[in-house]
Amino acid sequence: KQEVTQIPAALSVPEGENLVLNCSFTDSAIYNLQWFRQDPGKGLTSLLLIQSSQREQTSGRLNASLDKSSGRSTLYIAASQPGDSATYLCAVEPFGNEKLTFGTGTRLTIIP
Amino acid sequence: GAVVSQHPSRVICKSGTSVKIECRSLDFQATTMFWYRQFPKQSLMLMATSNEGSKATYEQGVEKDKFLINHASLTLSTLTVTSAHPEDSSFYICSARLDRDTEAFFGQGTRLTVV
Repeated sequence: KQEVTQIPAALSVPEGENLVLNCSFTDSAIYNLQWFRQDPGKGLTSLLLIQSSQREQTSGRLNASLDKSSGRSTLYIAASQPGDSATYLCAVEPFGNEKLTFGTGTRLTIIP
Repeated sequence: GAVVSQHPSRVICKSGTSVKIECRSLDFQATTMFWYRQFPKQSLMLMATSNEGSKATYEQGVEKDKFLINHASLTLSTLTVTSAHPEDSSFYICSARLDRDTEAFFGQGTRLTVV
């Protein structure tokens, strides 16, 4: 059974700093991995999708990497802003079906 | 980007009544939609996979008679919580995607409170 872990569970950094969020998964046979953000009481907003054949994806200040062999993905946020404060979730999709397994999430707070 | 709309965003109901939650894909057709449940400060738990024109597939431990799913068209799936009880109070979220090579989009979520 796939298990997805995100460390740390919570992170606070001053505005302007670059930061890295981590996601690890136990079964490397994944079809893709996706990063989301969730604001309090809201649904999920898709940030980046990385296919299993890709090593990284970039969107604006966000860069996500994938290392399937080690079962790890990182989300790099450059020049953090208070608006980046949210919970960040990673999710992996297996080859056999479209069911996503979500990580435990990292609650990020950017301090103005 | 693609949009998934979920309604209502918040509902309070009395114990024993039923509540229907709608999930619509606004600008694409989705043969498959997914329903999740989220407890406070926890991650999302998949409840069921909704398939257009056929019966939903429920995850282990999810009561199909309590959580009725209907996927009547390629743009609409509904989740009905029947005979709701306080323990059903939770945050319910749906998702849909064009195909598995594209990102999954989520609705805004529905906060259900059963009193």
